[in-house]
Amino acid sequence: SQQGEEDPQALSIQEGENATMNCSYKTSINNLQWYRQNSGRGLVHLILIRSNEREKHSGRLRVTLDTSKKSSSLLITASRAADTASYFCATDRGTSYGKLTFGQGTILTVHP
Amino acid sequence: EPEVTQTPSHQVTQMGQEVILRCVPISNHLYFYWYRQILGQKVEFLVSFYNNEISEKSEIFDDQFSVERPDGSNFTLKIRSTKLEDSAMYFCASSALGDTQYFGPGTRLTVL
Repeated sequence: SQQGEEDPQALSIQEGENATMNCSYKTSINNLQWYRQNSGRGLVHLILIRSNEREKHSGRLRVTLDTSKKSSSLLITASRAADTASYFCATDRGTSYGKLTFGQGTILTVHP
Repeated sequence: EPEVTQTPSHQVTQMGQEVILRCVPISNHLYFYWYRQILGQKVEFLVSFYNNEISEKSEIFDDQFSVERPDGSNFTLKIRSTKLEDSAMYFCASSALGDTQYFGPGTRLTVL
């Protein structure tokens, strides 16, 4: 698989449930970022976690990073219909001026 | 809240024509990027720009592509002779420190 691969590819849940998306990568990184994209729209930055961090929180979002397993997870708690979107992880290897390598993304559908 | 803006939102052009996609990054940012997303595919890095020069470019960014920061506020991507396979959503992004990147809403380029 390539740098920044998310799973599952698609996730369908009910409002109020938690959603967990995973991202795996191949090479060492400087940081990993999660983005949201609503259909046909731009990318919204959610959270950045650096290679020396293990967990970060932002509102209903919780991101973990395990550099030994080269993986990250994004947890959205108490999901809402408005969370329906595609979620991407993107890795910065730190070898250039912030070039990001994106995964294929997870399509999250939250049913009201 | 400051945001990255892009114009036009949709550009339709004939194969072989030149197009210029425009971006206004967030005003105090120093790092600028172009990415593209072909329909149904990953977001791909094209080029990064810092200190008035290209800092890195991908294999996609061949001689048909160029970037410019003509006036200290705009950041443009020019495609000299468009091909059918250039049809994609093009995203501009900017960053203050070369880590967290803020993306614009994108320009959908359709080459006929």
